[in-house]
Amino acid sequence: KAGVTQTPRYLIKTRGQQVTLSCSPISGHRSVSWYQQTPGQGLQFLFEYFSETQRNKGNFPGRFSGRQFSNSRSEMNVSTLELGDSALYLCASSLTLEGTDTQYFGPGTRLTVL
Amino acid sequence: AQSVSQHNHHVILSEAASLELGCNYSYGGTVNLFWYVQYPGQHLQLLLKYFSGDPLVKGIKGFEAEFIKSKFSFNLRKPSVQWSDTAEYFCAVNRRGGGNKLTFGTGTQLKVEL
Repeated sequence: KAGVTQTPRYLIKTRGQQVTLSCSPISGHRSVSWYQQTPGQGLQFLFEYFSETQRNKGNFPGRFSGRQFSNSRSEMNVSTLELGDSALYLCASSLTLEGTDTQYFGPGTRLTVL
Repeated sequence: AQSVSQHNHHVILSEAASLELGCNYSYGGTVNLFWYVQYPGQHLQLLLKYFSGDPLVKGIKGFEAEFIKSKFSFNLRKPSVQWSDTAEYFCAVNRRGGGNKLTFGTGTQLKVEL
């Protein structure tokens, strides 16, 4: 079974630009969560989608948004990029919304904002 | 809101030494508890999880963790570490019934020396 895939793996953008990251969950998984990982703040939850609906949201500004498609693939968008948005963005998928499910993480997209 | 504390940020051990990594969480309700590991150059992966039943849970690669409700703790243990256990270890919790949103600790970087 293929794991969680994320594209692109690396991105370099400049301040003020916007970026879209993509995540394909494990086949059959309907929940997709996004996390931001930085050396200073560690791993922080961004949002969770299930059946094309946002079910949970973390404490990030409105510049961070996401969506989920009918095939469970998910995208997240960051508008008006700031230097502090430089991070590794991780996507995780799980079968259901049951918090006891194992979440499987992808390799991440490394975003650098110059 | 829940929070997770990992007391040891960097740990260096010799092969065959015993390991215990501390994790405490702060939340007034019922939680599910997890330990994730990130080996160099690899994805985050689940080591073990606890949501009910026997508070001593066993995971992959000989790891175990004990949930002590009165202490809000979920410490990770391994009797004898190997060089291949060199990795970063993350404790995480989510709120029972709150979806898959994980709150992570800051991580413990473990280095095992030959």
